[in-house]
Amino acid sequence: EPEVTQTPSHQVTQMGQEVILRCVPISNHLYFYWYRQILGQKVEFLVSFYNNEISEKSEIFDDQFSVERPDGSNFTLKIRSTKLEDSAMYFCASRREPSYEQYFGPGTRLTVT
Amino acid sequence: LAKTTQPISMDSYEGQEVNITCSHNNIATNDYITWYQQFPSQGPRFIIQGYKTKVTNEVASLFIPADRKSSTLSLPRVSLSDTAVYYCLVGDIRAGNMLTFGGGTRLMVKP
Repeated sequence: EPEVTQTPSHQVTQMGQEVILRCVPISNHLYFYWYRQILGQKVEFLVSFYNNEISEKSEIFDDQFSVERPDGSNFTLKIRSTKLEDSAMYFCASRREPSYEQYFGPGTRLTVT
Repeated sequence: LAKTTQPISMDSYEGQEVNITCSHNNIATNDYITWYQQFPSQGPRFIIQGYKTKVTNEVASLFIPADRKSSTLSLPRVSLSDTAVYYCLVGDIRAGNMLTFGGGTRLMVKP
């Protein structure tokens, strides 16, 4: 069964550094998402992406965040200058039409020190 | 977005049927009800989705009464591997389709 993959599985970075989290969505999916989950808290929506542009974003997704689909397979989330409070699990998800089911990746655990 | 209320936690034993009820009193006409499952340190996984009456798949059943103000996820004959957090989500899946997760129900299945 096709899966969403994410790399790295764990990223440790220092406050103020830039990080790029990578995702490979399922190949025939056209809608892509990033969510995050701070330890012990709810899964929170960050951004959705379709047709090479952002379709929705939450208040969390401020100017420090950006997303990109640099080629036909990867979907990336960049955090320009990380803060301690960015420490969380970051999940990528994708879906295909006409289904509304989102397939989630295994996540990247980001630790900002 | 319709607010959802579900139990924080539930315990069960292997082989039992588990029913998790979610209240969504202000559900809108275009809203669907969707359940996701999340194991520790993994991403959520879609279980089932419905609009009204009953939906069944190979994993679970979803019961939705006529007023749609609540729904019940039914897991037949649970095993230890069904220990997870179960989320009830309510929203218009056609509009935007960002998922809004609540706190979920932490199901613990004991031997």
